[in-house]
Amino acid sequence: NAGVTQTPKFQVLKTGQSMTLQCAQDMNHEYMSWYRQDPGMGLRLIHYSVGAGITDQGEVPNGYNVSRSTTEDFPLRLLSAAPSQTSVYFCASSYSWTGRVNIQYFGAGTRLSVL
Amino acid sequence: KQEVTQIPAALSVPEGENLVLNCSFTDSAIYNLQWFRQDPGKGLTSLLLIQSSQREQTSGRLNASLDKSSGRSTLYIAASQPGDSATYLCAVGNSGYSTLTFGKGTMLLVSP
Repeated sequence: NAGVTQTPKFQVLKTGQSMTLQCAQDMNHEYMSWYRQDPGMGLRLIHYSVGAGITDQGEVPNGYNVSRSTTEDFPLRLLSAAPSQTSVYFCASSYSWTGRVNIQYFGAGTRLSVL
Repeated sequence: KQEVTQIPAALSVPEGENLVLNCSFTDSAIYNLQWFRQDPGKGLTSLLLIQSSQREQTSGRLNASLDKSSGRSTLYIAASQPGDSATYLCAVGNSGYSTLTFGKGTMLLVSP
């Protein structure tokens, strides 16, 4: 049981490049989400999904795309990387109980630098 | 828009002290509240989750309380140890889905 797995752990991009941050969970959780963590800002929600085929925007969605074709995977795509997207990205998942989200499990993070 | 504030931003205590970390939120219509621990360069680990209908949760030396009407939560750590050194994050569940609003955290250092 690996929990929430994020790849890669580190990435350096040039401005304008695109890439996909991978997130996979093996706990059969319905809910998955992406956050970014910046110094002095705390964690902010980018996108989230309540099940396969269903996604929605969070607080800071601009410049990012998501899709959820399977329960296990929730990739985050950067379409055209900008220096402002330099951050640490965390993926999280949780199960629901009586329709409410319970304990969130976080991945180890992807540290992204955009030059 | 929900806003979450954590006080203090940093705390340094000697080993063995009991301590309290504070969290306040602006919108009392929450679904739950979670306390997380984050070690440097690592992900987040959930410590305690309090549903909106509950007043407190306990796990070992940790006790978290929730007062929705005043928009406050506290995390009490008993008999602190150097291994407790980490950043502690408070996060409010805003809806029936997975959206969390985080505070900026309290960085705790427990000295031997």
